[in-house]
Amino acid sequence: ILNVEQSPQSLHVQEGDSTNFTCSFPSSNFYALHWYRWETAKSPEALFVMTLNGDEKKKGRISATLNTKEGYSYLYIKGSQPEDSATYLCAPPGLTGGGNKLTFGTGTQLKVEL
Amino acid sequence: DVKVTQSSRYLVKRTGEKVFLECVQDMDHENMFWYRQDPGLGLRLIYFSYDVKMKEKGDIPEGYSVSREKKERFSLILESASTNQTSMYLCASSIVRSEQYFGPGTRLTVT
Repeated sequence: ILNVEQSPQSLHVQEGDSTNFTCSFPSSNFYALHWYRWETAKSPEALFVMTLNGDEKKKGRISATLNTKEGYSYLYIKGSQPEDSATYLCAPPGLTGGGNKLTFGTGTQLKVEL
Repeated sequence: DVKVTQSSRYLVKRTGEKVFLECVQDMDHENMFWYRQDPGLGLRLIYFSYDVKMKEKGDIPEGYSVSREKKERFSLILESASTNQTSMYLCASSIVRSEQYFGPGTRLTVT
């Protein structure tokens, strides 16, 4: 099983703070990356699917970058709000399964406090 | 909106029972997946299906089997449930190499 690491494991920030998380993976085995947000009592929802080295994606206050050559991706949240509280999962698709099989990291749990 | 539904939100079964977890998606997706989620271990892929009657093992297939007789339906089968299969089970679907859409999950307890 290939290792996907996310850091930090958990994070507490104040409303209005900006924050970022890291996802790292073996670059020789992965060529793209998914980010998901998983709120308590809900299902994981896709934030971004990134398929190109150097790709940058943005959705509102959340953005992500991808470096497949060195094997990492960053997720940024600008001006955190309480509704951003969730676990953020990264998942690179591997080289098997036609690129459809994802290996999930254990996530970064974000808590945004008022 | 894509909708992925799972047959039960909560399920309690006894050791040795045969357990069926059902998943249905309504968007004609080729791919369907079964994961389990355990504290500290994240989402782990059990099985993946890329077409009707086609399947591939994931990272932790031992103790599980799957069935996909129709495109919209993907079943996870625990032939003889054991206590170490107590977990949250999530189904997902997707088109090829695209984002996955998840169901609400089934929390299975095996006693």
